[in-house]
Amino acid sequence: AQKVTQAQTEISVVEKEDVTLDCVYETRDTTYYLFWYKQPPSGELVFLIRRNSFDEQNEISGRYSWNFQKSTSSFNFTITASQVVDSAVYFCALTPGGRGGADGLTFGKGTHLIIQP
Amino acid sequence: ETGVTQTPRHLVMGMTNKKSLKCEQHLGHNAMYWYKQSAKKPLELMFVYNFKEQTENNSVPSRFSPECPNSSHLFLHLHTLQPEDSALYLCASSPDSGGVETQYFGPGTRLLVL
Repeated sequence: AQKVTQAQTEISVVEKEDVTLDCVYETRDTTYYLFWYKQPPSGELVFLIRRNSFDEQNEISGRYSWNFQKSTSSFNFTITASQVVDSAVYFCALTPGGRGGADGLTFGKGTHLIIQP
Repeated sequence: ETGVTQTPRHLVMGMTNKKSLKCEQHLGHNAMYWYKQSAKKPLELMFVYNFKEQTENNSVPSRFSPECPNSSHLFLHLHTLQPEDSALYLCASSPDSGGVETQYFGPGTRLLVL
């Protein structure tokens, strides 16, 4: 069984502050993939990043960065110098790998991020 | 990516109605998915289709009936729904070249069952 926990239900910060969204996962698979998606008020889930279990390198993309630590089963997401447009619900998700074929994603409950001007 | 479209965007139906949700992907993908997002639960996987074949049914009640006539289209037929079925229904697609591929989502259909 797989599980993704996003303990922060809602975070509110003032624009330009840095903010970190936490994600902790559970899986028995040795090969797995982790994802972050953004869901703006329009409802569409926007893909942000995918990371496989063998790649623990941190990733930076503009103001976004991700910290993957297998030792603590965490895949945290940091937004630097936040902007109002970053306001959305952010989901962390997990899927097994190595089986071939299409597998569904197991999602966390999401963190509602509010960036105040 | 804006290659996954869903219609209608909003739907209100009574418990005795029959309706269908439509999903279309223009990305050349081979796998398609239905997810349910309700207010009090995480996003839940409902069905997976791979090369038009259903590969997963996540214990979904029979009042939800999926159909995948080809790799570009996915339907969700609804009949005798309950008010607790009110939710955002999201469709996704992925290339499925044999490994794990990123899923790309449509904008969803917001369903209200009265």
